[in-house]
Amino acid sequence: GAVVSQHPSRVICKSGTSVKIECRSLDFQATTMFWYRQFPKQSLMLMATSNEGSKATYEQGVEKDKFLINHASLTLSTLTVTSAHPEDSSFYICSARAMAGELRETQYFGPGTRLLVL
Amino acid sequence: GQQVMQIPQYQHVQEGEDFTTYCNSSTTLSNIQWYKQRPGGHPVFLIQLVKSGEVKKQKRLTFQFGEAKKNSSLHITATQTTDVGTYFCAGPRTGTYKYIFGTGTRLKVLA
Repeated sequence: GAVVSQHPSRVICKSGTSVKIECRSLDFQATTMFWYRQFPKQSLMLMATSNEGSKATYEQGVEKDKFLINHASLTLSTLTVTSAHPEDSSFYICSARAMAGELRETQYFGPGTRLLVL
Repeated sequence: GQQVMQIPQYQHVQEGEDFTTYCNSSTTLSNIQWYKQRPGGHPVFLIQLVKSGEVKKQKRLTFQFGEAKKNSSLHITATQTTDVGTYFCAGPRTGTYKYIFGTGTRLKVLA
């Protein structure tokens, strides 16, 4: 159990376009999902916390108008990188925190999305 | 702000040698988690430690949480090539469930 999927796994886009990344918890419900960004050979940096039914909270320095997050259901959160630029190229990873039960304290990570902006 | 540092940054070992990575937080942690990320992969949860001084074992891996709950270590006995990857510790930001990841230790095992 506790599987999180992300789609797409890889995306290449032109500068100025928008890219949507989906994060789904497949076999559990997640009131909270987290979005991270990881540059090559670096650690994971938390970008924002996505709460079902409410506005996402963003970490300091992360532009909320550039990284739009929607958490419409207990199993789906989306991250849209608007007007992407080459410096947005990175590995974007989501994680989901289970609502209750023995999974509750653990984050389960999706497989990540590699974004390349040309 | 709250920081979580790991040393060493890189470690190359011969297969069969032991390996240890150390994690240090600037603040006291309610718990600490460890993850492994294989090259090209995503972080995979290994374990969570909650109690001061706690020690947990998973086969060849031994995890320890410091008495002051500000540091932790992961020790691998007799490394294998399958242990290759980056090991991250992560601790929650004080008063929240948002985890701050350590800087990571990249392990290479030479056959």
